[in-house]
Amino acid sequence: ETGVTQTPRHLVMGMTNKKSLKCEQHLGHNAMYWYKQSAKKPLELMFVYSLEERVENNSVPSRFSPECPNSSHLFLHLHTLQPEDSALYLCASSQDWLENTEAFFGQGTRLTVV
Amino acid sequence: AQRVTQPEKLLSVFKGAPVELKCNYSYSGSPELFWYVQYSRQRLQLLLRHISRESIKGFTADLNKGETSFHLKKPFAQEEDSAMYYCALKSNYQLIWGAGTKLIIKP
Repeated sequence: ETGVTQTPRHLVMGMTNKKSLKCEQHLGHNAMYWYKQSAKKPLELMFVYSLEERVENNSVPSRFSPECPNSSHLFLHLHTLQPEDSALYLCASSQDWLENTEAFFGQGTRLTVV
Repeated sequence: AQRVTQPEKLLSVFKGAPVELKCNYSYSGSPELFWYVQYSRQRLQLLLRHISRESIKGFTADLNKGETSFHLKKPFAQEEDSAMYYCALKSNYQLIWGAGTKLIIKP
């Protein structure tokens, strides 16, 4: 699939579980992002990676841990989450972070913490 | 503080009627604003940006610095315009998002 692909599409996990969300882009973009989308709230930027280096960390709890092993892949490692972390997690990429060109989004992972 | 406000959570209009989705922003510098759209079961995607001054799918948006607004307009709504619409502001190399407006076009 072209564009930005996220897996899994749906995830249910217990508060003591450890899981990872995966994002992949084959657009040749240099910047990748994790967003959290909660019901009826604006998208919240969680992490930004530019050229595989983290450039923004918007005060996200340490139970969320990002990893960017190469320019095409981005992970979000989850551990000991809380029910209020249930949300849609969106990955996006753009050609360049500084120029903030058009962001291309994945379809998201719907996370439910029980 | 930088902020984007979309005052309407839901907007419902009849096919063929004009549409205006409101967006107001708070920003101390020279703003760059965007509209993104999410159709049912599709991913979020860019609709238009103010610096391009373009019309996409019949939609236009004009930046009004005096009123700090960037409202999205279309003179004649079509059923396929039904979607979630998000206004976003570029600030410090990241996007600040509004909460979104759900647009429903009634036949």
